[in-house]
Amino acid sequence: DADVTQTPRNRITKTGKRIMLECSQTKGHDRMYWYRQDPGLGLRLIYYSFDVKDINKGEISDGYSVSRQAQAKFSLSLESAIPNQTALYFCATSAASGRPYEQYFGPGTRLTVT
Amino acid sequence: AQTVTQSQPEMSVQEAETVTLSCTYDTSESDYYLFWYKQPPSRQMILVIRQEAYKQQNATENRFSVNFQKAAKSFSLKISDSQLGDAAMYFCAHGDGGATNKLIFGTGTLLAVQP
Repeated sequence: DADVTQTPRNRITKTGKRIMLECSQTKGHDRMYWYRQDPGLGLRLIYYSFDVKDINKGEISDGYSVSRQAQAKFSLSLESAIPNQTALYFCATSAASGRPYEQYFGPGTRLTVT
Repeated sequence: AQTVTQSQPEMSVQEAETVTLSCTYDTSESDYYLFWYKQPPSRQMILVIRQEAYKQQNATENRFSVNFQKAAKSFSLKISDSQLGDAAMYFCAHGDGGATNKLIFGTGTLLAVQP
């Protein structure tokens, strides 16, 4: 079984709809991250969380919100989706000790906003 | 601000040959980490190799090796004996090594492997 899972894997939604992307991990990591990938831009950080009570904005947080429901679960919400939020979204995790700089990625969610 | 630059949008290599992907970065930190990630058509992000900045020795993982030039802020990836399965998008990433462990990614290099 995958250590980091994301649901859904693919989603098509309409402009103005609220949508939630979910991430779960069994790696026991404290730190979780949400990135988006756009062609020609690489991956950019949206939000990150060090534990349930510690959530921080990344470089492109506008239009997004997150919820850390438990150590293993980190959700990303688009309150009112717009077409330029069409992208590939990745969740990642890292440990707080040992190799905290090493991130492990989920399989990604392809989101299309029409 | 930290930046990562991959100047080669696309590269091509013949099967069994060697190819080098370039990456440069900018940072004011002395303690940091560098990574190469592979993204095949399945879109999964796979960690290929890592380099700690405090280590002078270049990292090696089987057919993958890096040329880390700290003073020049250069971190290239060499793939030896290229295989068809190496065809993918490759991303260079810089980790700040600090409390946040945030990664800054380059824009990627799409590698094609010709049979």
